[in-house]
Amino acid sequence: GENVEQHPSTLSVQEGDSAVIKCTYSDSASNYFPWYKQELGKRPQLIIDIRSNVGEKKDQRIAVTLNKTAKHFSLHITETQPEDSAVYFCAASGGSYIPTFGRGTSLIVHP
Amino acid sequence: GAVVSQHPSRVICKSGTSVKIECRSLDFQATTMFWYRQFPKQSLMLMATSNEGSKATYEQGVEKDKFLINHASLTLSTLTVTSAHPEDSSFYICSARGRGGLLNTGELFFGEGSRLTVL
Repeated sequence: GENVEQHPSTLSVQEGDSAVIKCTYSDSASNYFPWYKQELGKRPQLIIDIRSNVGEKKDQRIAVTLNKTAKHFSLHITETQPEDSAVYFCAASGGSYIPTFGRGTSLIVHP
Repeated sequence: GAVVSQHPSRVICKSGTSVKIECRSLDFQATTMFWYRQFPKQSLMLMATSNEGSKATYEQGVEKDKFLINHASLTLSTLTVTSAHPEDSSFYICSARGRGGLLNTGELFFGEGSRLTVL
């Protein structure tokens, strides 16, 4: 089955800096890569996703890149703000859309 | 957007009792619902996939007789933790995937989660 590795487990940045979270996947058949944000005590929510026919996608301060050859994808957050502090999960799934989640990255943005 | 409601948000029970958690899709029909278990500061571990009108598919290592899943309608799935023990204490969270139209994108809509504490 699919195996998703996510790094780092914890990321601490100063407000205004950029943050990058990286994930790798094992199944070359995976074609859908969502990113979820989970604030403390709340439900995970989709913040951005990318499909295998696209190499990069951007939504305001958030961007995701995908390298199918290397089987890795990354989340980039620019101009970080304290409200970006949360746990971020990457996931990978194939045609069944049953995602396998990474272990999560706890992002802390210091004001 | 699509809304998934999970109830109860917190439950405390005595060891040996059973607890039922409900997951409802409020404004869309969910053909597939997923149940996850999340330990503190850890990832979402898929327990089972439930499809409306059929038996749930459990992940390896998950006891189907202990974690009973029922998906009787397109808007409701339930997880029953039977004969709960302290080691079952955890955060359980459901998610749903819709069908057709914009909902059939692969995006998961999560419930609020249920924190179970077994004394």
